[in-house]
Amino acid sequence: KAGVTQTPRYLIKTRGQQVTLSCSPISGHRSVSWYQQTPGQGLQFLFEYFSETQRNKGNFPGRFSGRQFSNSRSEMNVSTLELGDSALYLCASSEGQLTDTQYFGPGTRLTVL
Amino acid sequence: QKEVEQNSGPLSVPEGAIASLNCTYSDRGSQSFFWYRQYSGKSPELIMSIYSNGDKEDGRFTAQLNKASQYVSLLIRDSQPSDSATYLCAVSGSANTGGFKTIFGAGTRLFVKA
Repeated sequence: KAGVTQTPRYLIKTRGQQVTLSCSPISGHRSVSWYQQTPGQGLQFLFEYFSETQRNKGNFPGRFSGRQFSNSRSEMNVSTLELGDSALYLCASSEGQLTDTQYFGPGTRLTVL
Repeated sequence: QKEVEQNSGPLSVPEGAIASLNCTYSDRGSQSFFWYRQYSGKSPELIMSIYSNGDKEDGRFTAQLNKASQYVSLLIRDSQPSDSATYLCAVSGSANTGGFKTIFGAGTRLFVKA
């Protein structure tokens, strides 16, 4: 099976702009989770989608939002970008149960200038 | 108090030695425990998963779980330079809103000296 794919791999934006990141999960996986990784904070949970529904959300401001489509592909949007949003954004897919392994994509490196 | 705590390291061990990585967690309701390895510039990849108390072995890796002490560890036997990476402890539990929530520790950097 093909792995988790994320596009784009690299992105440079300026403060105040918005950005949309895309994640295609492993075929058959219905759960997609998004994480932000920074050197200072490590991997921080953003949200998890299962069958087009957001099941859980981390402690991030409302500028961070996401959605999932019927084919399980997911998008994440960040509006009004701030310098502190510069990070590696990772998505992970799984079958959706508590004990299931999450498989990570290669990530999108976002730089906000 | 962080929900999942790991010693950030770096932990340095000689080639062939045993590397011991530790993790504690705060949510007693946690049910699934994972160790991921992350090489610099790469995304995390699963090393081990463990769900019940005791030891679980897979090749050179052994995961240990003690739910009473809220402690999970990873032992790497016969450490190789290729094991040099950051090891992330991840803990999953049911979320009030349904589904599950996974919390990652900050990671322990391991260096294996040749």
